[in-house]
Amino acid sequence: GENVEQHPSTLSVQEGDSAVIKCTYSDSASNYFPWYKQELGKRPQLIIDIRSNVGEKKDQRIAVTLNKTAKHFSLHITETQPEDSAVYFCAASRSNFGNEKLTFGTGTRLTIIP
Amino acid sequence: ETGVTQTPRHLVMGMTNKKSLKCEQHLGHNAMYWYKQSAKKPLELMFVYNFKEQTENNSVPSRFSPECPNSSHLFLHLHTLQPEDSALYLCASSRFGASGTNNEQFFGPGTRLTVL
Repeated sequence: GENVEQHPSTLSVQEGDSAVIKCTYSDSASNYFPWYKQELGKRPQLIIDIRSNVGEKKDQRIAVTLNKTAKHFSLHITETQPEDSAVYFCAASRSNFGNEKLTFGTGTRLTIIP
Repeated sequence: ETGVTQTPRHLVMGMTNKKSLKCEQHLGHNAMYWYKQSAKKPLELMFVYNFKEQTENNSVPSRFSPECPNSSHLFLHLHTLQPEDSALYLCASSRFGASGTNNEQFFGPGTRLTVL
């Protein structure tokens, strides 16, 4: 089955600086890669996703890049703000007509230092 | 509350008890999921239901028994659990079979389960 590794497990960044979280996956057939943000005591929420037919996707301060050859994808947050502090999870799945059997990484606890 | 709701939010049970977790989605979705979230472990997919039919059982012990009576409701029946089953149990829902890109899974707030 799929195996997703995520690094780092914790990350502290000065407010205004950029943060990068990296994930690798094992199943070359995986074609859907979402990122979820989970604030303390709250449910995970999708913040951005990318499919294997594109190499990069951006949404305001958040971007995701995908390297299919190397089987890794990364989350980039620019101009970080205190509200970006949360645990971020990457995931990968082999999309089967819309049903996503997601395999998650272990999470990265991001702390933004004011 | 709209979206995905779960009850109870907290549950403490002994190893000999039988209890059930409930999930309800108000999003018109037709796929529902159970996940287990333990400390320092990734979110683990347990079960997947599409149109009320179970399509995935991720090697979950039989002491966890899911039930999906319709596309809006999902239950997880618990019996003779072990202390290591203590975790946050999250329900999620999505649209199944939708072409395009938006197959986002919407999560509920979870049930914090403690097994004594």
